[in-house]
Amino acid sequence: GAVVSQHPSWVICKSGTSVKIECRSLDFQATTMFWYRQFPKQSLMLMATSNEGSKATYEQGVEKDKFLINHASLTLSTLTVTSAHPEDSSFYICSARARSSYNEQFFGPGTRLTVL
Amino acid sequence: SQQGEEDPQALSIQEGENATMNCSYKTSINNLQWYRQNSGRGLVHLILIRSNEREKHSGRLRVTLDTSKKSSSLLITASRAADTASYFCATGPVGATNKLIFGTGTLLAVQP
Repeated sequence: GAVVSQHPSWVICKSGTSVKIECRSLDFQATTMFWYRQFPKQSLMLMATSNEGSKATYEQGVEKDKFLINHASLTLSTLTVTSAHPEDSSFYICSARARSSYNEQFFGPGTRLTVL
Repeated sequence: SQQGEEDPQALSIQEGENATMNCSYKTSINNLQWYRQNSGRGLVHLILIRSNEREKHSGRLRVTLDTSKKSSSLLITASRAADTASYFCATGPVGATNKLIFGTGTLLAVQP
């Protein structure tokens, strides 16, 4: 149980285009989902926290107009990187926390974004 | 930055040996968790220890927590080649129970 999927697993896009990444909890309801960014050989940095039906809370330094987050249901959150630039190239990982969970997060497999 | 630090950054051992990784953090916490990440993949939850616990075991894993020193250690006994991965500690800060603040990670290589 507690499986989280991400789609796509990798994406290459041209500079200036927008990219949408989906995060789904497959066998549980996720009251909260989190989006992280990871640069090569570095740790995960929390970008934003999203609760179902409400606006996402962004970490300091993360542009909310650049990284649009929608958490429309208890099993789906989306991250849209708008007007992507090469510096947005990174590994994006989502995680989900179940209603019954103490503070354990279940992570998706990640999405590798490359902006040319 | 609230980010924790892990030590060592990289560790190479032989199969069968024990591996110990340390994590130091900066804020008061409700809990501390350890995760494993294989190269280019997502994270796998290993173990969670609450702030009122001092030691926890799960299979070949042993985690200790010293809140007075703001540090934790992860011991993997009888390591296997399949244990090769990056290991991250993550803290759940007091007052922000939803969040996890990740440490810098330890890259473990277990040589067969």
